[in-house]
Amino acid sequence: ELKVEQNPLFLSMQEGKNYTIYCNYSTTSDRLYWYRQDPGKSLESLFVLLSNGAVKQEGRLMASLDTKARLSTLHITAAVHDLSATYFCAVDESSGANSKLTFGKGITLSVRP
Amino acid sequence: DADVTQTPRNRITKTGKRIMLECSQTKGHDRMYWYRQDPGLGLRLIYYSFDVKDINKGEISDGYSVSRQAQAKFSLSLESAIPNQTALYFCATSLGGSGKETQYFGPGTRLLVL
Repeated sequence: ELKVEQNPLFLSMQEGKNYTIYCNYSTTSDRLYWYRQDPGKSLESLFVLLSNGAVKQEGRLMASLDTKARLSTLHITAAVHDLSATYFCAVDESSGANSKLTFGKGITLSVRP
Repeated sequence: DADVTQTPRNRITKTGKRIMLECSQTKGHDRMYWYRQDPGLGLRLIYYSFDVKDINKGEISDGYSVSRQAQAKFSLSLESAIPNQTALYFCATSLGGSGKETQYFGPGTRLLVL
């Protein structure tokens, strides 16, 4: 059974500083997705990582995937208040066309002045 | 207009009642999913459908059933609601083909079972 773990579950960040959050998973996969959820809102797709060594960047966020370590990192550069949200990673353990995601429990980020 | 819509957005019901949550999409996607979200537990898959004739159980299907009425519509039913089914329910869709496409989520239905 695939397990997806995110840590830490809550992170208080100071504006302007850099942080890294982690997503690790228990079985082989080269398909990993990051989503963002604002309080009371739906999930929004952030990144799709589909191979070992994949790196994607959007604004102050950069995500990477190490399939050998079964680990994805989300790096935050110079945190700003707008990044306060819950971030989920999700892993697809299938190798074919019929994907099915298993989500981590999410990491809640709070950016303070 | 939203690409993935869910109705109702909020629902209060009583234990033992049968209720249906509906999901519609205009994205033209063939894959549809139902998840529930509970505080601290992330999202858990209830049912999923890769096309109109394909329905699969997810991680937590007990107490739920689904119907894929058309490519664009996927309904979730609680046959006899119980309080621990109180949760936020999301419908999601994705494009078929490679299986590597991200999922797009609806706005959610907040369900309270008394």
